[in-house]
Amino acid sequence: EDQVTQSPEALRLQEGESSSLNCSYTVSGLRGLFWYRQDPGKGPEFLFTLYSAGEEKEKERLKATLTKKESFLHITAPKPEDSATYLCAVQAVSGSARQLTFGSGTQLTVLP
Amino acid sequence: KAGVTQTPRYLIKTRGQQVTLSCSPISGHRSVSWYQQTPGQGLQFLFEYFSETQRNKGNFPGRFSGRQFSNSRSEMNVSTLELGDSALYLCASSSPPIAEQYFGPGTRLTVT
Repeated sequence: EDQVTQSPEALRLQEGESSSLNCSYTVSGLRGLFWYRQDPGKGPEFLFTLYSAGEEKEKERLKATLTKKESFLHITAPKPEDSATYLCAVQAVSGSARQLTFGSGTQLTVLP
Repeated sequence: KAGVTQTPRYLIKTRGQQVTLSCSPISGHRSVSWYQQTPGQGLQFLFEYFSETQRNKGNFPGRFSGRQFSNSRSEMNVSTLELGDSALYLCASSSPPIAEQYFGPGTRLTVT
C-alpha cells in the first residue's frame, strides 16, 4: 500500500527564516511526486512534479528536491503570504490508475 | 484557460438524503478524479473517470458513485447521507499522459 508521511505537522517561521518541509514516501513504483499548496477553504494549488531521484524544481522562494525515499520542499526567505498548508502526494505506476495518495500536510505559518 | 469549476460550492443536507455534485474540468482535459477531504482522514481518493469510463475506485462504500459525460464533465452522487459524509469534496482534472492534476475549489457538504 502506498504511504506518504509529512513532517513537521506544523511549522511557524519568522519572515525571512528559511526552512524545509519533509515528505517521506513508500510506493511500489513511483510515477511522480507532487507538491501542492492549499489555502483555507480552497482547493489544492499545483506547485511541482518530480519524477526521478536527483530532480529539482524551483519557483520563486520554493525549491523541491527528490530522493528515492523522500522529498523536501525548501522555503527560502519566506513571506507571510507563503502561509498555507503544503501537501505532498505520490502517483504510483499501476496500470492506468492515476490516483494520488496524499500526506496529511504541513501547516506553515510565516510571521511578519 | 478557465480552471476546474465545481458546483455547488456549499451544500447542507439531512441524514438519509442524497446529493449530486458537479465538476467541469479544464478545457481539453479528459480525466476527472474525485477526492474527499476531512480533518481526520485528509485527502482520500474516491474515483477516476476517463473518456466516460471509471478507471479506478478508492475504498469507499457503494453509496458513493459517479459518472462522466461525453464533454468530460463529471458528477458524483452520494446516497443515504451519513453525518460522516460531511467533508470538502474536490474534483481534479488532468490530461494524460501528463501527470499533473489540477483541483477545483471544492464543494463543502454538511450533513445534519
